Amino acid sequence: GAVVSQHPSRVICKSGTSVKIECRSLDFQATTMFWYRQFPKQSLMLMATSNEGSKATYEQGVEKDKFLINHASLTLSTLTVTSAHPEDSSFYICSAPTSGSYEQYFGPGTRLTVT
Amino acid sequence: TQLLEQSPQFLSIQEGENLTVYCNSSSVFSSLQWYRQEPGEGPVLLVTVVTGGEVKKLKRLTFQFGDARKDSSLHITAAQPGDTGLYLCAGARGDYKLSFGAGTTVTVRA
Repeated sequence: GAVVSQHPSRVICKSGTSVKIECRSLDFQATTMFWYRQFPKQSLMLMATSNEGSKATYEQGVEKDKFLINHASLTLSTLTVTSAHPEDSSFYICSAPTSGSYEQYFGPGTRLTVT
Repeated sequence: TQLLEQSPQFLSIQEGENLTVYCNSSSVFSSLQWYRQEPGEGPVLLVTVVTGGEVKKLKRLTFQFGDARKDSSLHITAAQPGDTGLYLCAGARGDYKLSFGAGTTVTVRA
């Protein structure tokens, strides 16, 4: 299957700082990637759709100025959590569908802790 | 309100027993996927079903897609401790966006 990587796997930052999370498709190109947030023992909540070469599409209730998404190439999307607060602490996961398929492949996730 | 209703939420069984997880919706999906997720990791794709009435088998796992493409089930035969995890169903409705069920936490006791 296709491989998606995320970096970093864990990050701890102080309140008020910004954190960037990278999502890469390693063996395929992805014009679209998705960013999810997951709370303990809960399902995935879609935050936004990252589109290569154009603006991201955010789900209702997700602040686009707080969660900045950039999809600069066909293999890389980044999520920047700006002015992070403790309530932003969560598990962030990205995914990408392979071309012409509904199947999505997920990254290993990034555990963000804001102190 | 979740588009996909997944049940049960929790399932704890003894090794060797069988289990079934259900995923239901009032909406029609072009495809439905099942994932397993372990703590601290991303979901891993188990199967994709696209045709109404489709049945797919993956070793001891059997996946069914309802005739109307609104529901699906995952059946595990002779469960093993290695089957422990969070099982998630997710449906696509014509674009790449997935709607996830709430998940079923399965614990298989040795």
